[in-house]
Parts: sequence; C-alpha cells; structure tokens
Amino acid sequence: AQSVTQLDSQVPVFEEAPVELRCNYSSSVSVYLFWYVQYPNQGLQLLLKYLSGSTLVKGINGFEAEFNKSQTSFHLRKPSVHISDTAEYFCAVSDSGGGADGLTFGKGTHLIIQP
Amino acid sequence: GAGVSQSPSNKVTEKGKDVELRCDPISGHTALYWYRQRLGQGLEFLIYFQGNSAPDKSGLPSDRFSAERTGESVSTLTIQRTQQEDSAVYLCASSAYGRAQYFGPGTRLLVL
Repeated sequence: AQSVTQLDSQVPVFEEAPVELRCNYSSSVSVYLFWYVQYPNQGLQLLLKYLSGSTLVKGINGFEAEFNKSQTSFHLRKPSVHISDTAEYFCAVSDSGGGADGLTFGKGTHLIIQP
Repeated sequence: GAGVSQSPSNKVTEKGKDVELRCDPISGHTALYWYRQRLGQGLEFLIYFQGNSAPDKSGLPSDRFSAERTGESVSTLTIQRTQQEDSAVYLCASSAYGRAQYFGPGTRLLVL
C-alpha cells in the first residue's frame, strides 16, 4: 500500500525568501509523484510531476521538486516566494504511469507568505 | 479547451436524503476519478473509470456511495441516505490514459 507524509501542516515564510515543502512516500513498487496546488476557493491545479528521467523536475510558477529514491522523498522548492503563492500544497503518489489509477494524497501543507 | 466542470458547486441537504453530483470531464480524457476532501484533510480516492472497463470502486466508503459513467463522458456520484459525516468537498478529475489528472472545482456538500 502507498502512503504520503507531508511533515508540515503549515509553513510560514517571508516574501522573497526561499521555501521547501517536504514530502515523503512509501510504496512497494515504482512510483510516480505529483505536487498539486489549491489556491483559496479554487480547485486543484497540477504544479509538477515526476514520471521518469531526470530527478529534478521543474513546474509552473517557478517551483521545482527533486525525486530522491534512497530517501523516498519528493520535496518541493522555490527560491523566492511571492504573496500569490499562498495556498495549500498537496503531494501525491501513484504506482502506475502518469497516474492511471487513483492517486494517494498527503494531508497538505498550507504555505503562508508573510509580507 | 474547457477544463473539468462539476455541478452543483454547493449542495445543502438533510440527513437521510439522496444526493447526486455531476462531473463533466475534459473532452477526450478516457479516465475519470472521484475524490473526497474532508475539512482539513487530504484527498481520499473514491472511484476510477477507465474507458469501458469495469470501474475501480476500491475507495468507496460504504454501499451508500455509487457512481456511473456513460462511455467517456459525464459521470454522476450518488450518495444515498446521506449522513453528516458525508459533508465534504467532492472532487472530480480526468486524464488521458497514462497522463496526469486534472481536477474540477469540486462540489461542497453539507449534510444537516
């Protein structure tokens, strides 16, 4: 069975500072990893995905994530955050290519950007 | 093109009533998924449709929950005899086979 752990329920960060949102997973098979963002009162939006190839994945809005198989992690990073990045961020895992089955989500991390 | 759409956006119902939630996937997406998001929680997978294959119902929490999909188009999620613990946001997603899932805005269900 798969599981996803997002270690921080809330992360407060000052504007223009760097941020890392942590995600660890467990899976007995090959994994495919995703980060989704949910802005206030909006639906989930795909931020980036790791399916294969380079372990450093770049997504939208300047975010990137690195797949680390030995540490079973897929942490999300941004070098300089903006007020508009305030949102809930969800890490998700699938054991089939591109998420061709139900995703297993973490509980989310609320990113709070402080001016 | 248009994204995933869901209706209604909000639904308030009384305990014991049945509700039906609708999802219109992105045109051409063969896969469709339903998730539930309770307040302050992550998403729980409910059910997955892929083309004309039998749906994966492994996430449905009880036999009060059912879902249908006609071909590769609209899906409806039905909750019978609603309970207060069914209150949540119900999210629908669709994908092309083997591709990432794209989510709709959700239906907020409140059971009084």
